[in-house]
Amino acid sequence: SQQGEEDPQALSIQEGENATMNCSYKTSINNLQWYRQNSGRGLVHLILIRSNEREKHSGRLRVTLDTSKKSSSLLITASRAADTASYFCATDRGTGNQFYFGTGTSLTVIP
Amino acid sequence: EADIYQTPRYLVIGTGKKITLECSQTMGHDKMYWYQQDPGMELHLIHYSYGVNSTEKGDLSSESTVSRIRTEHFPLTLESARPSHTSQYLCASSEYFTGGRAFFGQGTRLTVV
Repeated sequence: SQQGEEDPQALSIQEGENATMNCSYKTSINNLQWYRQNSGRGLVHLILIRSNEREKHSGRLRVTLDTSKKSSSLLITASRAADTASYFCATDRGTGNQFYFGTGTSLTVIP
Repeated sequence: EADIYQTPRYLVIGTGKKITLECSQTMGHDKMYWYQQDPGMELHLIHYSYGVNSTEKGDLSSESTVSRIRTEHFPLTLESARPSHTSQYLCASSEYFTGGRAFFGQGTRLTVV
């Protein structure tokens, strides 16, 4: 990957369960963002965490960031069938702030 | 909802044809990007722009070219399409400051036969 890896590649859970996805990256970052992609569509921004933050919440989403390990996790609580999508982490680094995406996790929530 | 539009959504074209994928945004964003997304989902940055008359190549080498004559418009051109160009192309824009989030278009799925 250009920037990092996500795991697992695919995750299948029952509705109501929690889903956790992990992202690792390779270089120093300014911030890390998570995006969601429904099948065949563009990506939609979910949440941003800055490099000096360790945890952030937004509704059913919880993001953690460990810059010493160059890793982040996204937790979706009480999952719903509508959460079925692919999830990507993205980092921006350097002075140019280009966005570099991970390999993505495909989440399936079974009703 | 994001005000960034890509046309066409789907394109099937023969080898050797010249094609232009259109991308327009109405948010006044300075920064725009083109990504190529392979079937395994990974997004590869192929071009980006900081503003009018600014274009840079991304990490993934691409035979495509881009132009940025107007802030709102960032078209991508393939002079001679090949089957290896078959992919999903995603355009995005963001504000210039660090931490600005990216807004994506719906994508163009290109098939070269």
